[in-house]
Formats: sequence, C-alpha cells, structure tokens
Amino acid sequence: NAGVTQTPKFQVLKTGQSMTLQCAQDMNHNSMYWYRQDPGMGLRLIYYSASEGTTDKGEVPNGYNVSRLNKREFSLRLESAAPSQTSVYFCAGKGNTEAFFGQGTRLTVV
Amino acid sequence: DQQVKQNSPSLSVQEGRISILNCDYTNSMFDYFLWYKKYPAEGPTFLISISSIKDKNEDGRFTVFLNKSAKHLSLHIVPSQPGDSAVYFCAASGNSGGSNYKLTFGKGTLLTVNP
Repeated sequence: NAGVTQTPKFQVLKTGQSMTLQCAQDMNHNSMYWYRQDPGMGLRLIYYSASEGTTDKGEVPNGYNVSRLNKREFSLRLESAAPSQTSVYFCAGKGNTEAFFGQGTRLTVV
Repeated sequence: DQQVKQNSPSLSVQEGRISILNCDYTNSMFDYFLWYKKYPAEGPTFLISISSIKDKNEDGRFTVFLNKSAKHLSLHIVPSQPGDSAVYFCAASGNSGGSNYKLTFGKGTLLTVNP
C-alpha cells in the first residue's frame, strides 16, 4: 500500500522549460491537492480537485495547470518554468478528515 | 491574508519537558483542526485532530486543545523526546473536515528537543 506516490523526486529545469509532476493515490480518496512549500511560507495550496472531473484554483495557481486524469491521478504542469517556481511540491489525497501526503518533488528552476 | 497563523517560527525544549505549540485562526467557518509533523525530505504526516464540537483531544503523548472563542488551538507534547524534533504545521478546514473541503495550513513551527 503505497498511499500517495509522486514522481519525480528531484528535477532541475531551465527557465522556460515545461514539465509535469505526477501524483497517484491508492486510497480511493475523492479529493486531491497540490501544495508548494517554501522557506518561511508553510504549505500553500496551488490547485485542488474535489472529485474526478473537477479542479479549482487554490492560493497560488499562477503559472500552473492541473489535470485530474481519473480518481487515482492528479498531475501538475508547469508550461514555462520560472525561477520563482523553485520549491518543494507536495501532492495529497484527502479522505473524510485528514490529508495524506506524498514524499514531495524538489524542483529547481535555473 | 493569512487565515491560519503560527507566530512562533521555532521552539526549543529539553527532553522530558512539555512542548507547547500554538496556532491561531481567523476564519469563523473553520470547524476542524489538524496538526501535521514534518521531517526534512519527507512529506507531512498527520498527527492529531480536533473537531470544533470538542475542546480537547488526546492521543498518547499528544494533546490538542481548542478555544473557539479565542480562535486558538495548541498542541501539547508530554514528555518531549528528541525524535519529536520536526516542523509542526497547524491546519484547518470547514465543512467538518469533509472530503471535499481543502486544508489551510500555517507556516509551521520548528521544534527542537534537546537531549
């Protein structure tokens, strides 16, 4: 039982490059979330999906797009990476109460 | 506008003593509160939660207290152990924590427990 799996774990991009962060959960949760963690800023919500087929913006959505491919998978896309998007990204699935997080993707944009 | 505030970026305590981490919130719609623990290079892990219908919830060494009138909650760890050293995040949600309601996090408090 893997819980929430994120790939890749590490990535270095050049400014302007694009990439997709993948997330899959095996806990049958309806809701899935993407957060970013920056020093001194805590966890900030980028996008979330309350159920399959729906997505909504969170606190810091600019520069990102998401796809809820099916109930298991929720991907985060950076179309044109910027240095300000250097961060650690966490995906989470949420049941009735608490959210369960993946191990994170450390992204550096140079 | 920060809806969940953890005003202490860090806290240092001696092993065996009590650790008290504080959290304040501003959104009156929040009715479910959680604490997460995060070690470096790992994802946050759920620690303990409390519903607004309660004022205390206890799980082993961890107790969360909720003061709704003050919009304040605290996490008590007794006794503190070196393995408790981590960043602790306070989080809140509405809709009684229902599956579709997002979590709003504070900025975190780094707890260091010294042997």
